[in-house]
Amino acid sequence: GDSVTQMEGPVTLSEEAFLTINCTYTATGYPSLFWYVQYPGEGLQLLLKATKADDKGSNKGFEATYRKETTSFHLEKGSVQVSDSAVYFCALSATGNQFYFGTGTSLTVIP
Amino acid sequence: DAGVTQSPTHLIKTRGQQVTLRCSPKSGHDTVSWYQQALGQGPQFIFQYYEEEERQRGNFPDRFSGHQFPNYSSELNVNALLLGDSALYLCASSLEQLYYEQYFGPGTRLTVT
Repeated sequence: GDSVTQMEGPVTLSEEAFLTINCTYTATGYPSLFWYVQYPGEGLQLLLKATKADDKGSNKGFEATYRKETTSFHLEKGSVQVSDSAVYFCALSATGNQFYFGTGTSLTVIP
Repeated sequence: DAGVTQSPTHLIKTRGQQVTLRCSPKSGHDTVSWYQQALGQGPQFIFQYYEEEERQRGNFPDRFSGHQFPNYSSELNVNALLLGDSALYLCASSLEQLYYEQYFGPGTRLTVT
């Protein structure tokens, strides 16, 4: 079945460090891929998406490229800020009805 | 413009009881999905409602049922509660033709004792 595997957390970085959170997927067909973010005490928010191979999603300085050949959708940011501290979830949907989420990666950025 | 709202915020129930959780979608949205998020885990898809019908269901037992009303709001019902049903229950709404833009509510924290 469809599934998403995320790198284990938690991740702790200093402000302005480079961030990579790995995500790989298994799916039949051609899924769309997503990154969601959950800030403390808030609901999940869509951070970025890519709907076909080689698409690059980007938002708020975060980027992720849909790599079909490696079945990956790694999240990157060149310079993290304290305000980026949150839990990040990778997700996929092949049908548009059912979403599959990873287990989440907790990021803490220290000044 | 109100986002997705859920009620109640927190709930404590005893094993064997039944519970109803409620969700009002973002204004203009016609599709509602429900998720269960156990502590430290990602959300697990329960089911999705569109046009008052359950359109797709995840791997959850029949104890989990739902309903969508003509105004697009939705309820999640869980019967014969088990300790393992303790979780954060999330509602997400979207437009059917823009399925990938899901907006999540803050969730209902259910504790089963």
